[in-house]
Amino acid sequence: SAVISQKPSRDICQRGTSLTIQCQVDSQVTMMFWYRQQPGQSLTLIATANQGSEATYESGFVIDKFPISRPNLTFSTLTVSNMSPEDSSIYLCSVRTGLNGYTFGSGTRLTVV
Amino acid sequence: QKEVEQNSGPLSVPEGAIASLNCTYSDRGSQSFFWYRQYSGKSPELIMSIYSNGDKEDGRFTAQLNKASQYVSLLIRDSQPSDSATYLCAVNPVNTNAGKSTFGDGTTLTVKP
Repeated sequence: SAVISQKPSRDICQRGTSLTIQCQVDSQVTMMFWYRQQPGQSLTLIATANQGSEATYESGFVIDKFPISRPNLTFSTLTVSNMSPEDSSIYLCSVRTGLNGYTFGSGTRLTVV
Repeated sequence: QKEVEQNSGPLSVPEGAIASLNCTYSDRGSQSFFWYRQYSGKSPELIMSIYSNGDKEDGRFTAQLNKASQYVSLLIRDSQPSDSATYLCAVNPVNTNAGKSTFGDGTTLTVKP
């Protein structure tokens, strides 16, 4: 299965600032998925990133707040913009492995103060 | 009604016992079902996938699927302290793009030595 390098692993940010999270995959993949996991909760899909097209956002998530780049088939970034304490969460990128299961990156633990 | 519901837990079993984790889903047309294990502070790891009614065994793990009852379960035999983790059930609903999973809230399992 694919190996995903995600960084940063954690960060503490001031409210109103932005943080860009990077994911590098060791193989070419068509779709990359960005999830958020708030403390003690399950995973919520933010958006699906396809190379060469705009990302597809889920209900409740907008491009202005979570812009995504997908410049090639092995790399994607998610930016959390104009952060507030409510954005404190773990952010995970993932790719499909096998028959629609996921491999996840190691996650980015974001704390907004 | 949540799309994917799991036992609220936490679940505690003694070492060597069978742990039973349950999950129900709302979309009757769902085709793919997954179990992920998430250790504290780590990202989820795919441990089982199942697509057809019946049982699927992999080592100490058995996934069971009953599409008529919209029910999927995970049995862990001979439970070990290293199995202590949160287990996430995930379903690929038929009405979404392939590979986009909906996750349950997870069941936290503790195996006591």
